[in-house]
Amino acid sequence: GNSVTQMEGPVTLSEEAFLTINCTYTATGYPSLFWYVQYPGEGLQLLLKATKADDKGSNKGFEATYRKETTSFHLEKGSVQVSDSAVYFCALSLISGSARQLTFGSGTQLTVLP
Amino acid sequence: KAGVTQTPRYLIKTRGQQVTLSCSPISGHRSVSWYQQTPGQGLQFLFEYFSETQRNKGNFPGRFSGRQFSNSRSEMNVSTLELGDSALYLCASGRTGEDYGYTFGSGTRLTVV
Repeated sequence: GNSVTQMEGPVTLSEEAFLTINCTYTATGYPSLFWYVQYPGEGLQLLLKATKADDKGSNKGFEATYRKETTSFHLEKGSVQVSDSAVYFCALSLISGSARQLTFGSGTQLTVLP
Repeated sequence: KAGVTQTPRYLIKTRGQQVTLSCSPISGHRSVSWYQQTPGQGLQFLFEYFSETQRNKGNFPGRFSGRQFSNSRSEMNVSTLELGDSALYLCASGRTGEDYGYTFGSGTRLTVV
């Protein structure tokens, strides 16, 4: 089946530190890959996406590159801010016929300290 | 542009009762999916509706059901509630075509006591 494995948290960083959250996937076929972010008490917000190999998704200083050879989609940010504190979910989407669904990783809690 | 609206935001029910949750997608979005989020199981796919038809279903018991109306609004229903059904239920809407990702609502927090 399809699955997503994320780096275990929680992750605690100081402001302006470099962030990497690892994500690897297993899928039958060629999935689209996503990073979602969840702030306390809220739903999920799409952070960035990549739909094919070697695509780089980017948004708000975050980046992730779709690596088919290593089945990975690691999230990076060069300088984190306190406002980046949230839970980050890696996800894949596969279309089977006309149906589609997201398969999520377990989430990584990020806390950024001032 | 209005986002995905889920009602109610919070709900407390007793074991054995039934509950209905509502989701209004972004205007023009015809696909609506539901997910359950719990601390133990994480985010799990419940079902997806498109043009009033369920086209995909996750691995949940028959107590969980849903439907979609002609205006794309969707409801999910859980009958004979169990304590383990306590969760955040998230609805997501999307367009057809390119797999651009879904837009999620803020969720309905269901507590079963």
